[in-house]
Amino acid sequence: AQSVTQLGSHVSVSEGALVLLRCNYSSSVPPYLFWYVQYPNQGLQLLLKYTTGATLVKGINGFEAEFKKSETSFHLTKPSAHMSDAAEYFCAVPYSGGYQKVTFGTGTKLQVIP
Amino acid sequence: NAGVMQNPRHLVRRRGQEARLRCSPMKGHSHVYWYRQLPEEGLKFMVYLQKENIIDESGMPKERFSAEFPKEGPSILRIQQVVRGDSAAYFCASSPGTAGTDTQYFGPGTRLTVL
Repeated sequence: AQSVTQLGSHVSVSEGALVLLRCNYSSSVPPYLFWYVQYPNQGLQLLLKYTTGATLVKGINGFEAEFKKSETSFHLTKPSAHMSDAAEYFCAVPYSGGYQKVTFGTGTKLQVIP
Repeated sequence: NAGVMQNPRHLVRRRGQEARLRCSPMKGHSHVYWYRQLPEEGLKFMVYLQKENIIDESGMPKERFSAEFPKEGPSILRIQQVVRGDSAAYFCASSPGTAGTDTQYFGPGTRLTVL
C-alpha cells in the first residue's frame, strides 16, 4: 500500500522567508499526490494535487510542489511566508485500489514568526 | 453550493454513552468517507460509503463503531459505549466520483470529547 512520510512535525520560519515542507512517498510510484492544509479547528482544504503531466504543481495561496521521481519526494514550497500560512499541512496519497481512500502523513505544523 | 456539513461541531459524552455524528455531503456527491484524527496525529481512514452501501470499512474498529449512508438523509457515524480513547476529531469527506483526479472535500469536523 502507498504511504507518505513527512519529515519534521514542526517547522518555524520568519515572515517573508522561504517555506519548505518535506514529503516522501513509498517506493512504488503513486498515481496521484496531494497536499492539504488544516487551519485551527477547521477541516482540511486541498492546496494542490499532482496527477500526470507537469511535475511542478501550483496550488492556492502561492504554494507549489514538485514531484521528483528520482528522490521519491513531493515537497511543498512557498517563496515568502505570510502570517496567514500558519497551519498544519498534510501530504497524502490515494489508495491504489481505485477509489478515493486517502492515506495521510502525520502532518507538519508551520509556525510563522513575525 | 454548500460544502460538506457536519454536526454537531462539538460533542461531549460520558463513558458508556452513545455518540452520533452526522455528515451531509456536497450536493451531487454520492461518495462519503470518514476519518479520525487523534490528538497530535494525522487523519486515519475509517470507512468509505456510497448510498446504502459500505464499500470499505477496513479502518473502522470492529466493535462499537458503525456507519451508514441511507438513501435519504445524511451519513451517520455511530459510536456505542464510548470510551476516553474515542476522544478525537472525526472528519467526513465527500467526492463526486472515485477517479483519482476527483477532489475529496472535507467538512469542518466533529470534535468528540469523552469524559
